[in-house]
Amino acid sequence: EPEVTQTPSHQVTQMGQEVILRCVPISNHLYFYWYRQILGQKVEFLVSFYNNEISEKSEIFDDQFSVERPDGSNFTLKIRSTKLEDSAMYFCASTGGTDTQYFGPGTRLTVL
Amino acid sequence: DAKTTQPPSMDCAEGRAANLPCNHSTISGNEYVYWYRQIHSQGPQYIIHGLKNNETNEMASLIITEDRKSSTLILPHATLRDTAVYYCIVRLPYGQNFVFGPGTRLSVLP
Repeated sequence: EPEVTQTPSHQVTQMGQEVILRCVPISNHLYFYWYRQILGQKVEFLVSFYNNEISEKSEIFDDQFSVERPDGSNFTLKIRSTKLEDSAMYFCASTGGTDTQYFGPGTRLTVL
Repeated sequence: DAKTTQPPSMDCAEGRAANLPCNHSTISGNEYVYWYRQIHSQGPQYIIHGLKNNETNEMASLIITEDRKSSTLILPHATLRDTAVYYCIVRLPYGQNFVFGPGTRLSVLP
């Protein structure tokens, strides 16, 4: 069964450093999403991406964040200058014609 | 904010049916009801969704009341591996993001 994959599973970085989280959505899916979940809190929407551009973003998704689909398979989330409060699980999701979103296993980001 | 209300936690005996309720009294006519679950810190897992008819798949059944203001997710024979946080979400179809609430923490007990 097709699935969303994410790398790395765990990323440790120093405050102020740039990180790139990678996702490979399900093939043939058209909509892509990033969510995050701070430990013990709710899953929060960050951004959605369709037709090579951002279709919607939340207040969390400020200028420090960017997304890109550099090729036909990868979907990336970049945080330019990480802060302590960026420590969280980051989930990628994708959806195709059925509109059900399928989530990846997540990347645990730890900012020291 | 989430448009749904769920009990914060529930227990269920292994092998018994788990019935998880959800209130969505402000649901609009073209919004679907989705159920996801999250086991520990894994990515949310899709379970089932519906508009107004009851739905069943290999994982669960979804019962939506006639007025669509509430629904129940039924896991017919709960196992220990069904211990997770279950999220009930209402949303418009096609492209819109999901708004997760705190969900119901289901504990399946041996």
